[in-house]
Amino acid sequence: QIQLVQSGAEVKKPGASVKVSCKASGYTLTNHGISWVRQAPGQGLEWVGTISAYNVKTNSAQNFQGRVTMTADTSTSTAYMELRSLRSDDTAVYYCAREVYRAAIPLFDFWGQGILVTVSS
Amino acid sequence: DIQMTQSPSSQSASVGDRVTITCRASQSISTYLNWYQLKPGKAPKLLIYAASRLQSGVPSRFSGSGSGTDFTLTINSLQPEDFATYYCQQSYNTWCTFGQGTKLEIK
Repeated sequence: QIQLVQSGAEVKKPGASVKVSCKASGYTLTNHGISWVRQAPGQGLEWVGTISAYNVKTNSAQNFQGRVTMTADTSTSTAYMELRSLRSDDTAVYYCAREVYRAAIPLFDFWGQGILVTVSS
Repeated sequence: DIQMTQSPSSQSASVGDRVTITCRASQSISTYLNWYQLKPGKAPKLLIYAASRLQSGVPSRFSGSGSGTDFTLTINSLQPEDFATYYCQQSYNTWCTFGQGTKLEIK
């Protein structure tokens, strides 16, 4: 069955970088896009960015442009998101999600379990 | 960015109730609207896509409707496992956005 399994929790200091992973199984990773969505404590969901199918392109929300890099390693079926220049308000649970198209509508049909990234001095 | 406004932000209901959650987009998004369920410590779950299409495996008590700017998620005959937080999401443009969420609590 299709699964996205994410790496463990991270604690980082302000100004540092974090690289989180998302291992896909049950399908070929690059056949679909992978998006990253985060949820800060007590807040709603916020789209961070997407790496498209076949690694053709990446898009990220304006809040993260210049700070985020998304990649996918086909040899290990693992997607990565690196966020740099961390601030305390980057503390959140970060989810990866598979992006597919149904009825021509993009949607996230499978999600990882989430990784808590804590930014604290 | 397209703003998504959900209401209510929280609601108390009882098992067996019918619940409706609304989502309004700041501009027309046709039917580029999806609904997700979040429970603490669990992966989010897709319920409805394209405004009204039920995701495979999701119980038929969940339904969605709407197009343009106004959308609803309806849950008929609430079950104990339905108490969770629900989010709408527009995928009309590349920069998708979510509503602020509706927390459904047991009365």
